[in-house]
Amino acid sequence: AQKVTQAQTEISVVEKEDVTLDCVYETRDTTYYLFWYKQPPSGELVFLIRRNSFDEQNEISGRYSWNFQKSTSSFNFTITASQVVDSAVYFCALSEGGKAAGNKLTFGGGTRVLVKP
Amino acid sequence: DAGVIQSPRHEVTEMGQEVTLRCKPISGHDYLFWYRQTMMRGLELLIYFNNNVPIDDSGMPEDRFSAKMPNASFSTLKIQPSEPRDSAVYFCASRPSGGLQETQYFGPGTRLLVL
Repeated sequence: AQKVTQAQTEISVVEKEDVTLDCVYETRDTTYYLFWYKQPPSGELVFLIRRNSFDEQNEISGRYSWNFQKSTSSFNFTITASQVVDSAVYFCALSEGGKAAGNKLTFGGGTRVLVKP
Repeated sequence: DAGVIQSPRHEVTEMGQEVTLRCKPISGHDYLFWYRQTMMRGLELLIYFNNNVPIDDSGMPEDRFSAKMPNASFSTLKIQPSEPRDSAVYFCASRPSGGLQETQYFGPGTRLLVL
């Protein structure tokens, strides 16, 4: 069965500090997709990034960057120069390949990020 | 383009009452998902549809829960009778066909409180 673990339940930083969120996943499939979503205090779930299991290139989008390492089954997320607006709960999720697996997104428990002014 | 639309945004009801949550997926999306978010269990998939047909309802907690998708632009999740432990945020999500690489886009959620 697939599993996503976000060991950090809450991280508190001061504005402009960098913050890295850890995500470790388990799957028996060779084809799978990893996602990060952001849930701000308003409650909606906002898609941030998608990565497939065959693409281990790191990605940078503005102040956000992602490090995918298949060897350690990790897909970590870094916010550089954090801002108060980054305060939210961040979820890592896994979608497995194969028809039997369906289209389920398995979510980690989330990491709450609090950025203080 | 409009995103996934859910109604109501908030619902407060008394134990034993019927509750109906509604969802309008993004136009053109063939898949629709219902999730529930609680402090204890996090985000969990309840059921999903493909082309209006329920594909996997293994996450539906019990017979009190039912979901329908009468057409491509509308789905309901019904709880009858409701219980206090059903209090949660219920999310609807949709995605286009094309494989697992497609992203699920979530609605704003319905916050349900059963007293």
